Amino acid sequence: DSGVTQTPKHLITATGQRVTLRCSPRSGDLSVYWYQQSLDQGLQFLIQYYNGEERAKGNILERFSAQQFPDLHSELNLSSLELGDSALYFCASSVSQDIRDTEAFFGQGTRLTVV
Amino acid sequence: GENVEQHPSTLSVQEGDSAVIKCTYSDSASNYFPWYKQELGKRPQLIIDIRSNVGEKKDQRIAVTLNKTAKHFSLHITETQPEDSAVYFCAASKHGNKLVFGAGTILRVKS
Repeated sequence: DSGVTQTPKHLITATGQRVTLRCSPRSGDLSVYWYQQSLDQGLQFLIQYYNGEERAKGNILERFSAQQFPDLHSELNLSSLELGDSALYFCASSVSQDIRDTEAFFGQGTRLTVV
Repeated sequence: GENVEQHPSTLSVQEGDSAVIKCTYSDSASNYFPWYKQELGKRPQLIIDIRSNVGEKKDQRIAVTLNKTAKHFSLHITETQPEDSAVYFCAASKHGNKLVFGAGTILRVKS
């Protein structure tokens, strides 16, 4: 167990809908990263938050948004869902904002299926 | 943007043999290169990493080598065991806030 908690574990929803994925980082970790893992795109960095502020943005669609709350948990919101959004969404957390300094630990992921 | 290519996509070895997975990165400013292991249905886990000021790093049966000139780095696993079977991902980072991953290598260790 990495100490990073993601909920829900599985989510099935219809096209056009909106969902929220939740991530609770390890105790003491200030940095949260979101990644999308799909068969055709592999593991793709979406976004990073550090202590409530956005630090880096990757290949995140405009239909997706995220935030990190004062208690440091993070939510990834996916809207106007398309079939191609079906993927495993991972959250990772680390102490520092630099992944080179402190290891980032991944949660177990949320498997999203859009039908 | 940064791109990381990983080869081979699948690798089968006999238990006890060595396995080598290679990655090439495109951005010469990348300076951090971790390797992750992901077992079926589980989360990626860091197994070893190397920074650009180091040419080789070893941790028991696992080693990583880096050739900055050629912009490639490799994972070496010696004395492979069935529990080494997993998907292995290489990654590269320039600023420490974003990892660019390779496509992954499925390693099968046959006993």
